[in-house]
Amino acid sequence: DAGVTQSPTHLIKTRGQHVTLRCSPISGHKSVSWYQQVLGQGPQFIFQYYEKEERGRGNFPDRFSARQFPNYSSELNVNALLLGDSALYLCASSLTNEQFFGPGTRLTVL
Amino acid sequence: RKEVEQDPGPFNVPEGATVAFNCTYSNSASQSFFWYRQDCRKEPKLLMSVYSSGNEDGRFTAQLNRASQYISLLIRDSKLSDSATYLCVVNPLAGTASKLTFGTGTRLQVTL
Repeated sequence: DAGVTQSPTHLIKTRGQHVTLRCSPISGHKSVSWYQQVLGQGPQFIFQYYEKEERGRGNFPDRFSARQFPNYSSELNVNALLLGDSALYLCASSLTNEQFFGPGTRLTVL
Repeated sequence: RKEVEQDPGPFNVPEGATVAFNCTYSNSASQSFFWYRQDCRKEPKLLMSVYSSGNEDGRFTAQLNRASQYISLLIRDSKLSDSATYLCVVNPLAGTASKLTFGTGTRLQVTL
């Protein structure tokens, strides 16, 4: 079975631009969560979606938004990019309380 | 105080050694607990869930002490392939709600 997939794998943007990251969960998983991981730190929770509804939001500014589609895939959008948004963005899907991560999108903001 | 605290290491151990990692968490209402492993520049991979009764998976044993808000991971007979960062993870929410809170990770280097 395919695991969690994310696209793109790498992305370079400049300050002020916006970005859309995509995630497809493991087949049958209805929950998708997004995390940001900067170098040397553990992942930080951004959003959780379950059955297309937002179930949780971490301590991130309103520049960050997300949505989940009827097929349970998800998008994370970040507007007005800052240098500090450079990080590995991870998507995780779950059926129960165990989450399984995709390979991530590495975003560099110049 | 950080929500999840771990010794960042690194722990440098020879092959065959036994190594233990500890982790403390601040939210006494936390519902579920995990250890993830993360290789350099890769995604975290679930190593094992942690239960109050303790659980074992091959060379790996995890323990949870809710009273002390303490989680541990023991690795026996370390292999070179065990070299990675081990992340202690707590979920304060129940049911289908999930907000994994990660420690900064403990780096393990197993040497010949």
